[in-house]
Amino acid sequence: LAKTTQPISMDSYEGQEVNITCSHNNIATNDYITWYQQFPSQGPRFIIQGYKTKVTNEVASLFIPADRKSSTLSLPRVSLSDTAVYYCLVGDKNDYKLSFGAGTTVTVRA
Amino acid sequence: GAGVSQSPSNKVTEKGKDVELRCDPISGHTALYWYRQSLGQGLEFLIYFQGNSAPDKSGLPSDRFSAERTGGSVSTLTIQRTQQEDSAVYLCASSWTTYNEQFFGPGTRLTVL
Repeated sequence: LAKTTQPISMDSYEGQEVNITCSHNNIATNDYITWYQQFPSQGPRFIIQGYKTKVTNEVASLFIPADRKSSTLSLPRVSLSDTAVYYCLVGDKNDYKLSFGAGTTVTVRA
Repeated sequence: GAGVSQSPSNKVTEKGKDVELRCDPISGHTALYWYRQSLGQGLEFLIYFQGNSAPDKSGLPSDRFSAERTGGSVSTLTIQRTQQEDSAVYLCASSWTTYNEQFFGPGTRLTVL
């Protein structure tokens, strides 16, 4: 898995958009970018995955520039329940050994 | 139709004792994974099952750790002669097949005194 760097923490307020950028300078051609969310006392949950350009689902959007050396997870109009740790993973789709770093702790305040 | 379940949710044990952690995967999922997450740290892969076989045990930290899976369903992770450094949250995940999205259980918080 390629090494990733993301901020330790981010604060936001309800209704705002939260953007978390992940750096992955050594991303390989076959690597995908995947984001997970983890609430306290729960296991991680898959949010979104992409290879290039933009991916959007009902939860978030993932923006990937042409050089793929970084990516940005965008959470629209966050609520208090979006307070969680968000992990960025970069790796081959066939790599089942998930490996998370410390992640980004997002705290949403009223 | 529930998700992955794990038991117990919390386990406190004394150094040197053996512990067993249980995982019930989502019904029909053939692949099962065990991970460890230490306080403030990331996720560490331990072992992977495809059916009842464990083709990849590369993440087990020592020979005190073992795991089995029976009937292609329930899995048990056993830690013998526990040490304080074994304290962590042990997470289990399952997926339809090996390369599909993994669904995680809530974890077992193990504290070794």
